[in-house]
Amino acid sequence: GIQVEQSPPDLILQEGANSTLRCNFSDSVNNLQWFHQNPWGQLINLFYIPSGTKQNGRLSATTVATERYSLLYISSSQTTDSGVYFCAGPSGGGADGLTFGKGTHLIIQP
Amino acid sequence: EAGVAQSPRYKIIEKRQSVAFWCNPISGHATLYWYQQILGQGPKLLIQFQNNGVVDDSQLPKDRFSAERLKGVDSTLKIQPAKLEDSAVYLCASSLSGGSAFFGQGTRLTVV
Repeated sequence: GIQVEQSPPDLILQEGANSTLRCNFSDSVNNLQWFHQNPWGQLINLFYIPSGTKQNGRLSATTVATERYSLLYISSSQTTDSGVYFCAGPSGGGADGLTFGKGTHLIIQP
Repeated sequence: EAGVAQSPRYKIIEKRQSVAFWCNPISGHATLYWYQQILGQGPKLLIQFQNNGVVDDSQLPKDRFSAERLKGVDSTLKIQPAKLEDSAVYLCASSLSGGSAFFGQGTRLTVV
């Protein structure tokens, strides 16, 4: 399966700030997903984005497949955005399971 | 639409005991996954089912872990015998044949 690297590992911001999270992957992907794990442990699917750009409210994501990276943008951060953001790509072998990165731990302070 | 249901939410067992987790995926989702998430790490895929068949179990420790998905709907994951290093959150997810994955709340297992 692919290697998934995320940066930064930790990020502390004030409410209202904007942020960019990065995900690099080691091989071409046909399945790239972003998740938010809230402080209670629930994993929420944010985007399914193997290529191109998508937006959902204050969040948007861009995947440049040819350069093997994806970016997650969070604008006007709120305290409820706190948690861990994971990027995940295909685990390989023709199956649809995911290989996750180590995540970016985001803390939004009021 | 109901999400992925898992039970129990928490389980504490002694090492060498056995334990089982249950998952009910989103209605109509043919693909079901079990992941293990150790504290501070990203989830790690254990096994993937397509309907009631196993697609990928390459990372499942088969000497102690087993999983089944009878009738292609609910699934159970079993550990027998448990070791201390099995302490983790066990997450079930489902998808429409490889699309966006939707996760349950997980079962937090503590082995003492």
